[in-house]
Amino acid sequence: EAQVTQNPRYLITVTGKKLTVTCSQNMNHEYMSWYRQDPGLGLRQIYYSMNVEVTDKGDVPEGYKVSRKEKRNFPLILESPSPNQTSLYFCASTPSSGLRNEQFFGPGTRLTVL
Amino acid sequence: AQTVTQSQPEMSVQEAETVTLSCTYDTSESNYYLFWYKQPPSRQMILVIRQEAYKQQNATENRFSVNFQKAAKSFSLKISDSQLGDTAMYFCAFIPTMNYGGSQGNLIFGKGTKLSVKP
Repeated sequence: EAQVTQNPRYLITVTGKKLTVTCSQNMNHEYMSWYRQDPGLGLRQIYYSMNVEVTDKGDVPEGYKVSRKEKRNFPLILESPSPNQTSLYFCASTPSSGLRNEQFFGPGTRLTVL
Repeated sequence: AQTVTQSQPEMSVQEAETVTLSCTYDTSESNYYLFWYKQPPSRQMILVIRQEAYKQQNATENRFSVNFQKAAKSFSLKISDSQLGDTAMYFCAFIPTMNYGGSQGNLIFGKGTKLSVKP
């Protein structure tokens, strides 16, 4: 089954404790991205990657890191989480050749930083 | 800056009736795609419909159709014969195609419209 998976789905942590949210897709897509969703703000892009070893900042990259060592994986790293990073996070992927193709979204990760 | 505006934070409709969700966007690009995404309580993001800016014909998908007015930069979603399963948050989104292969491949979302379908 073609899908984007994220782990963990739910996470409660404390300020300053490094964490990684994993994202993996099995569709051989080149383009992957991370979004955060906050009430009243919609979804905002954090980082995106056009292909392996190619990443770039989105609209709200502060406090986040990403890496793209393999085509299928695009982890989101919070080196020192803070309460303002409490949010719902989505990973998405799409073939770079097909903007007309939909972005496939993962199921979301609910992160709470205390 | 490119923006997407959804002016209706919440809407409700009776089952089997028709409802229209509005979306306007601001861009200087001439080539782009527009999307409507649905987010039910499960939080999964589901593509409802897409529109290519160079196509004048409005996109339709079963009970869902759009009214795309490029000059007015308007992209409204019409849901016909509303069903209880249509209850969800709906997001309008935009991506400029010229920028896709460049330094910004950014899908820009509106803030969403919460739609409730009442029995």
